[in-house]
Amino acid sequence: EIVLTQSPATLSLSPGERATLSCRASQSVSSYLAWYQQKPGQAPRLLIYDASNRATGIPARFSGSGSGTDFTLTISSLEPEDFAVYYCQQRNNWPPTFGPGTKVDIK
Amino acid sequence: EVQLVQSGAEVKKPGESLKISCKGSGFSFTSYWIGWVRQMPGKGLEWMGIIYPGDSDTRYSPSFQGQVTISTDKSINTAYLQWSSLKASDTAMYYCARQSGGNFDYWGQGILVTVSS
Repeated sequence: EIVLTQSPATLSLSPGERATLSCRASQSVSSYLAWYQQKPGQAPRLLIYDASNRATGIPARFSGSGSGTDFTLTISSLEPEDFAVYYCQQRNNWPPTFGPGTKVDIK
Repeated sequence: EVQLVQSGAEVKKPGESLKISCKGSGFSFTSYWIGWVRQMPGKGLEWMGIIYPGDSDTRYSPSFQGQVTISTDKSINTAYLQWSSLKASDTAMYYCARQSGGNFDYWGQGILVTVSS
């Protein structure tokens, strides 16, 4: 089973700042990595799929990059509604797995 | 509009059985895989398994194989997750989600299952 490691566990930033979240896989997942956002009391929401493709309706301030074992989710300028937990998920190997999450909170 | 509507919260005792549901609308239910994801209190997301309502093909993560059963009734656009004997450790939020291109693009609102004596 592929293990995904996310760093940092918590990222404390102010609105308007740039957020850079990392996801590292225990072995290559090619480009089959997605990012999800989850706000308290809500279901997760798909942000990025296949490493760098924004899902429908996702603002351009969200971008993804990477391939193989190292991936990055960047939020170019944090909006108040972006403070949430972000999970990466791989689908290259069975079973699909999620990372433990990075919490982006307000500094 | 694509929607996945899950049944309501459940409170059960250890050893009891349970079947929770997820009803899809606004899309061709038999043309997409439907998956289940567990989130234990204060914890992250865990991928449980998926089912293809078109032919009932079902696949489980090894961590959940034998622990739960995923099924579907395509005549009413509904997928199910069931337990034959609940444990306290099954206490969690359970989400269903539609899988498109291998990713979960639409999610249900979640069902909180509480197992306590």
